[in-house]
Parts: sequence; structure tokens; C-alpha cells
Amino acid sequence: SAVISQKPSRDICQRGTSLTIQCQVDSQVTMMFWYRQQPGQSLTLIATANQGSEATYESGFVIDKFPISRPNLTFSTLTVSNMSPEDSSIYLCSVVWVTRYEQYFGPGTRLTVT
Amino acid sequence: GQQLNQSPQSMFIQEGEDVSMNCTSSSIFNTWLWYKQDPGEGPVLLIALYKAGELTSNGRLTAQFGITRKDSFLNISASIPSDVGIYFCAGQLGEYGNKLVFGAGTILRVKS
Repeated sequence: SAVISQKPSRDICQRGTSLTIQCQVDSQVTMMFWYRQQPGQSLTLIATANQGSEATYESGFVIDKFPISRPNLTFSTLTVSNMSPEDSSIYLCSVVWVTRYEQYFGPGTRLTVT
Repeated sequence: GQQLNQSPQSMFIQEGEDVSMNCTSSSIFNTWLWYKQDPGEGPVLLIALYKAGELTSNGRLTAQFGITRKDSFLNISASIPSDVGIYFCAGQLGEYGNKLVFGAGTILRVKS
């Protein structure tokens, strides 16, 4: 079965620094998304990662804080910039495979900001 | 924005019992999906529903897409300890592959 991987799986970061999270899939997908899951909460969409163009951000999320790249059909990155403790969350990428209609999620990146 | 009301918030049941949870919305969705999340992992897709009134099963799981397109339920029959986890409903607007709106989740605990 197709695989979605995220790196790093977890990290502890100092406030004011930035972290880039990678999402890699082993076959081509049509769409890629980034979600945030705050402690004990549900999932909230950050943005849709568009190949070769700027991501589409949801209300409350901005490019300066969460820059996203998607250089090809199998890879995307999310950067959490100028971090504060409020950014401590699980960050998840999801994909829609070429032959399917549903979203499938990666294992997530657990971020703690101190 | 769109919101999904998922209930119950949590359940603590005896092994072997049946479980039912549901989601309602004031908005119409074109697709309903149900996911399960285990601790430290990403959500895993359980069932996807595409048509109003559709009833779909996946092993001991059964889900239905409400006829009004504003609700969905998930049933788990004869629960077992590995059913423990958080169950999320999600509604999808527009065409397939579009963004998802998630419910708050139902925490399921099973007594063996």
C-alpha cells in the first residue's frame, strides 16, 4: 500500500526559532494539505499545498507564519516560523491519491515549543 | 465557517457492546468520512460515504450518509479492546479531494 512519511516525527524547539516539516509520498498525488491538531483537539486545516504555486491558506493562517512549498507531485514542506509555545501541536499532512477520492493522513509531527 | 457537531464526546463501554456515534451540521456536505486516530499516530480512514442515504460497511463498522446530507452516523458492533481510540467525522465540500471540516471527536474506551 502507498506510504506517507513525515520528518521529523517529533521535535522540541526554542521559542523564536523555525522548524521545517517534510511530507513525502511514494506515489503521485493530486492534492496535498497541511493540518494542525492542538493538544486534545480536533484537526484544523492550515492550507492546501499547490504544486508550483503559492499555497491556499485558511482563515487565521498566513504565509509569513506557515510558509509551504510543494515542488513536485510527491513532496511538500511546512515551516512553522518564529515559534511560540502556542504553536505546540501535531502537524499532519494529508494527500489525495491519483486513483482515489479520499484524504489519507501521514503519521504527524509532534512539535513542542519551550 | 462550517462546523460539525459530533456526539457523544466520549464513551466507556463493555467489550462486546455495540457503539453508535453521529455528526450533524447546519451545512450540506457532498462527502462524509469517518477516521480513527490512535495515540501518537495520524488519523486512519475507516469509511467514506458519497451519496445521500448511502449505507456502507467495513467489517464491524457501518456508517450512513444522512438523507438531508447534513448528518452521518457510525456504528461499531461487538466492540473489542483494539477499538479504543478517537473517532472523527469529517465533511467534505465541493468536489472530491477538497478540504475537510472535522468534528470534535468521540473518545472510545472499552472495558475488557
